[in-house]
Amino acid sequence: QVQLQESGPGLVKPSQTLSLICTVSGASIGSGEYYWSWIRQPPGKGLEWIGYSYYRGRSYYNLSLKSRVTISVDTSKDQFFLKLNSVTAADTAVYYCARCFSIGDQVWLDPWGQGTLVTVSS
Amino acid sequence: SYDLSQPPSVSVSPGQTASITCSADKLGNKYVSWYQQKAGQSPMLIIYQDSNRPSGLPERFSGSTSGNSATLTISGTQTMDEADYYCQAWDSSTVIFGGGTKLTVL
Repeated sequence: QVQLQESGPGLVKPSQTLSLICTVSGASIGSGEYYWSWIRQPPGKGLEWIGYSYYRGRSYYNLSLKSRVTISVDTSKDQFFLKLNSVTAADTAVYYCARCFSIGDQVWLDPWGQGTLVTVSS
Repeated sequence: SYDLSQPPSVSVSPGQTASITCSADKLGNKYVSWYQQKAGQSPMLIIYQDSNRPSGLPERFSGSTSGNSATLTISGTQTMDEADYYCQAWDSSTVIFGGGTKLTVL
């Protein structure tokens, strides 16, 4: 059974960098079968896709965040990472990681991690 | 940008059929997935590739697409189905989510 678990600071100061880790169990990131994705959800709002990365470093990002975001992977640890620069209060959200199935234009996310709340505040 | 439109809320009585729509230009030409998010929980995939159910998901959940719309149908709705539901598609190398629909079972 594949499981994902997010970890990282719950509080980040404005203008600093948000950094999160997603640890995967029950699957190998290095297998190359899947993409690995980050999604966020501001309190009381809907889902926003941040981006995803393949184990060989190919990444796709939401255009609205592309200038500030980096997603990378470490196949030796079965972990992937999110870095979001120059954060503001608008980046306060629950951040989820998920495994992404991508077959041409057929894309879906399963499973999802439990999520971690990151608050941007001084 | 490509926008997926969902009704903010849908209400249904227990045992009845609930239908949640997701609309966008030529959506029928894309593949749609659906997620269920219960209060305080992370989203869970319930439909992928328009109409496929993950293993173990109750048969009362079904999906379909036609023209500019996709529909999630819940037959014999149960109180445990009360949740937010999100549609999702892929466009221009981007994962797109609908705004979500709150399903109330009462």
